[in-house]
Amino acid sequence: SQQGEEDPQALSIQEGENATMNCSYKTSINNLQWYRQNSGRGLVHLILIRSNEREKHSGRLRVTLDTSKKSSSLLITASRAADTASYFCATDGPNSGYSTLTFGKGTMLLVSP
Amino acid sequence: GAGVSQTPSNKVTEKGKYVELRCDPISGHTALYWYRQSLGQGPEFLIYFQGTGAADDSGLPNDRFFAVRPEGSVSTLKIQRTERGDSAVYLCASRMVGSDTQYFGPGTRLTVL
Repeated sequence: SQQGEEDPQALSIQEGENATMNCSYKTSINNLQWYRQNSGRGLVHLILIRSNEREKHSGRLRVTLDTSKKSSSLLITASRAADTASYFCATDGPNSGYSTLTFGKGTMLLVSP
Repeated sequence: GAGVSQTPSNKVTEKGKYVELRCDPISGHTALYWYRQSLGQGPEFLIYFQGTGAADDSGLPNDRFFAVRPEGSVSTLKIQRTERGDSAVYLCASRMVGSDTQYFGPGTRLTVL
């Protein structure tokens, strides 16, 4: 079963605009990660935020985490056509001693030139 | 260094046949994971190895699915009596001790006709 739910399912923006994707989850976590996937193949790790962190930055990426609401957001600033991809949040959860990841269904981002 | 590799990249088989999918993790990564991703969904956990042993196989859908990692490096996912519903992209990931980040391979797209 999938723990996380990303919102929106699809997002279409113009180059230079910001893109915001949200993720909600159900169980306690140690950390939450965001991954990117092009063309339905391998996932690329973007950023990890721990349960005791509220905000983290990496380049044009900004992630927030609200453990009281069990939600996270990923902001991509100044988007580029090359950012077009599917974005997934993944949480570790208590299964397997927080060693396995549970993914949401993803947000499909389309950035038009 | 080299990332996670998976072979074959594509596999087409007929219903009822047996298939093996191979994963070469990043050298030195002791943890190895198999996930399955259906169209329009996020990856779903199948099995997790720590070294040679399966630490958690709770995601395997039924006893037609089996995975091994005999020397604690390469892993093979085996599917017996394949069914059309097994068609998906099978993803492998590895993780080093002390890190929470999983690194994914490009996946094997399995099509069962």
